[in-house]
Amino acid sequence: SQQGEEDPQALSIQEGENATMNCSYKTSINNLQWYRQNSGRGLVHLILIRSNEREKHSGRLRVTLDTSKKSSSLLITASRAADTASYFCATDQAGTALIFGKGTTLSVSS
Amino acid sequence: DAGVIQSPRHEVTEMGQEVTLRCKPISGHDYLFWYRQTMMRGLELLIYFNNNVPIDDSGMPEDRFSAKMPNASFSTLKIQPSEPRDSAVYFCASSLAGGNTDTQYFGPGTRLTVL
Repeated sequence: SQQGEEDPQALSIQEGENATMNCSYKTSINNLQWYRQNSGRGLVHLILIRSNEREKHSGRLRVTLDTSKKSSSLLITASRAADTASYFCATDQAGTALIFGKGTTLSVSS
Repeated sequence: DAGVIQSPRHEVTEMGQEVTLRCKPISGHDYLFWYRQTMMRGLELLIYFNNNVPIDDSGMPEDRFSAKMPNASFSTLKIQPSEPRDSAVYFCASSLAGGNTDTQYFGPGTRLTVL
């Protein structure tokens, strides 16, 4: 199935450092979304990037999309302990369904 | 807005029992999605509705699972009979437009444990 795969599976950093996580997918997409999930909670939408966009910013988040490589990256700058969560990319498929990857677990220690 | 509401938050039941999970989407959202999350399989789409009509139920694991949306403000996911392998967190999400072009808003989830 057309599923995003995040890399790395787990990432541990110190507060103030930048965190980069990557997502690869298999077939053409119209857009790609990133979501965050705090432990024991539902997913929260972070950002959507369309296939004709190469980069998008939202606060401390920066998302890039390279459709030729079928990959996207999420950069969190100046990370905080509150950024500790799992991060998922989601890609569209025919129709209106999203396919989620298995996520990157980010741990930010103070 | 209260967001997507799910009940119960936790459910512990014994194998063979019927389980009903409930979801109230955000008012005005036309799409409703049911997902299941496990460590092994990640987040899986089970079924989604558009304007109360099931559009794609190909993710429903087997006939023991059924979902309904009798009106725009309520949906249920039923498992009958339940099995230990159904243990997971079940999420409901809604979106204003199609999920691939719009943000999906997730509920807090129902953690189901089948003994």
